[in-house]
Amino acid sequence: EAQVTQNPRYLITVTGKKLTVTCSQNMNHEYMSWYRQDPGLGLRQIYYSMNVEVTDKGDVPEGYKVSRKEKRNFPLILESPSPNQTSLYFCASSLTRTKINSYNEQFFGPGTRLTVL
Amino acid sequence: QKEVEQDPGPLSVPEGAIVSLNCTYSNSAFQYFMWYRQYSRKGPELLMYTYSSGNKEDGRFTAQVDKSSKYISLFIRDSQPSDSATYLCAMSAGGRRALTFGSGTRLQVQP
Repeated sequence: EAQVTQNPRYLITVTGKKLTVTCSQNMNHEYMSWYRQDPGLGLRQIYYSMNVEVTDKGDVPEGYKVSRKEKRNFPLILESPSPNQTSLYFCASSLTRTKINSYNEQFFGPGTRLTVL
Repeated sequence: QKEVEQDPGPLSVPEGAIVSLNCTYSNSAFQYFMWYRQYSRKGPELLMYTYSSGNKEDGRFTAQVDKSSKYISLFIRDSQPSDSATYLCAMSAGGRRALTFGSGTRLQVQP
């Protein structure tokens, strides 16, 4: 089954304790992205990757790191989590090759609910 | 001011009603307009997308884009309880492929 998986699904941690949220896709997609979803703010992009070893900042990258060493995996790293990073996080992936005037659907994972105390 | 504005609802309608969901936006560079549906405890899934202005129909769903007014709509005909979800509009100027999302409208269809 084609899918994007995230682990863990739920995480409660304390301020300053480094954590990693994993993301993996089995669709051979070049593009992968991390979003956070907060009430009243919708989804906001944290980081994205156009391909292996190619990453770039999204709209809200502060306090996060990513890496893309393999095509299928795109982990999100919080080196020193703070309470304002409490949120619902989604990983997404898509193809990057496009036809003119077409859109490549982004497939989302099930989400990781993170609470930082 | 947010780039994309969407009424958060909740919107409660009886089964069989026609539902209208809307978003307004301010960035005239947006060319791709999407509607995502998000069920509780799930990730968003693409419902429909439209390039530039115009209408697009898929079964009970119709998406409309009016670029001159910077206004997009999603209509759901003969709404069903299974349509109960949060509906997110999203837009992109293409290129970097970043999506700008609305905050989502929660829809409840009562049996």
